[in-house]
Amino acid sequence: NAGVTQTPKFRVLKTGQSMTLLCAQDMNHEYMYWYRQDPGMGLRLIHYSVGEGTTAKGEVPDGYNVSRLKKQNFLLGLESAAPSQTSVYFCASSNTGFGAFFGQGTRLTVV
Amino acid sequence: AQSVTQLGSHVSVSEGALVLLRCNYSSSVPPYLFWYVQYPNQGLQLLLKYTSAATLVKGINGFEAEFKKSETSFHLTKPSAHMSDAAEYFCAVRYNTDKLIFGTGTRLQVFP
Repeated sequence: NAGVTQTPKFRVLKTGQSMTLLCAQDMNHEYMYWYRQDPGMGLRLIHYSVGEGTTAKGEVPDGYNVSRLKKQNFLLGLESAAPSQTSVYFCASSNTGFGAFFGQGTRLTVV
Repeated sequence: AQSVTQLGSHVSVSEGALVLLRCNYSSSVPPYLFWYVQYPNQGLQLLLKYTSAATLVKGINGFEAEFKKSETSFHLTKPSAHMSDAAEYFCAVRYNTDKLIFGTGTRLQVFP
């Protein structure tokens, strides 16, 4: 079972470049989430989606955009990367009342 | 604001000792509550969840957590620590907004 798959696993960007992180889930989950994990700060919610075609802001949405055109995919975009966006990004999916399943993470470095 | 607080960023125990990791939530309305574990360079794995069916919840690897509404707490315990329990543990809550919010994590060290 694939579960939640994140692409890519590693990336180095220059300041000002753009990129898109892809999250794909094969569990037919309604909810999908994007988090960033930084030392000492736990996981902070960037954006989330409660179903196909929907998105909502989380705790730290600035500098990021998302889209959920298909139920199984949740894309996270950085339009103009900044060093402050250096982090490990996690995608997760779930259904109501159930725990979320996480991907293995994307380690992004912005130089 | 809806939030979850984990007291203690680091906890150290001896192998065989009791593990107690603390978590408090901020809402008067009981939310869904979860504990996750993260091993180095990996994603998060669900340990257990509270969804109002029972106040004492048993999870994987011998962990359990008790929901106490009067204390707005959901502390994680394990009677006897094992070396393999060394990891980072996260408490998380989901309120009616459907946001899944995490605490800042507690790193558990287990000494032989």
